[in-house]
Amino acid sequence: ETGVTQTPRHLVMGMTNKKSLKCEQHLGHNAMYWYKQSAKKPLELMFVYNFKEQTENNSVPSRFSPECPNSSHLFLHLHTLQPEDSALYLCASSQEDFHSSGYTFGSGTRLTVV
Amino acid sequence: GQNIDQPTEMTATEGAIVQINCTYQTSGFNGLFWYQQHAGEAPTFLSYNVLDGLEEKGRFSSFLSRSKGYSYLLLKELQMKDSASYLCAYMDSNYQLIWGAGTKLIIKP
Repeated sequence: ETGVTQTPRHLVMGMTNKKSLKCEQHLGHNAMYWYKQSAKKPLELMFVYNFKEQTENNSVPSRFSPECPNSSHLFLHLHTLQPEDSALYLCASSQEDFHSSGYTFGSGTRLTVV
Repeated sequence: GQNIDQPTEMTATEGAIVQINCTYQTSGFNGLFWYQQHAGEAPTFLSYNVLDGLEEKGRFSSFLSRSKGYSYLLLKELQMKDSASYLCAYMDSNYQLIWGAGTKLIIKP
């Protein structure tokens, strides 16, 4: 357990379904991130929240919708996904001045779109 | 632009030493990170280098040369549990992490 908890660990959904991924951290960090990890590809930054405010949206399709109700929780709402969206979705958190301590990652949600 | 490269896969023997290289090209640089990721698990922080030279932490060491755009992770006295993917990432001028695709390290008895 790293201090960042993601649920569910595995998710299979149809292209017409709506589902949500959840991330929770109690490390006192003030920044949270969603990443997509596909096989043999670099981590792709999707969204960044600093003090609950979204500060980064890396041209992510609108079928992915983030929500950050407070500095400890982060959601990723999924709607009308495509098979190519199947991947490992990682949540991470950090202090604003994290430079030397890095990010703390959750174990991820393995998403399969059928 | 953003360009970072590391080998896709490496194999080494238990008890031996292995060096995983990472090269990058960037106009703005604020340090380089190494992470370890076991299959199905979270990436975990190993090291951070912002100045040139070698940082040692037990069996793991990380080296940085900013002028050459080069870093390596050195793993000594390899153990079977070191079988994992090793991710290299540099922090750009906007303090964003730019990731390599990772190096899968296979340890054989």
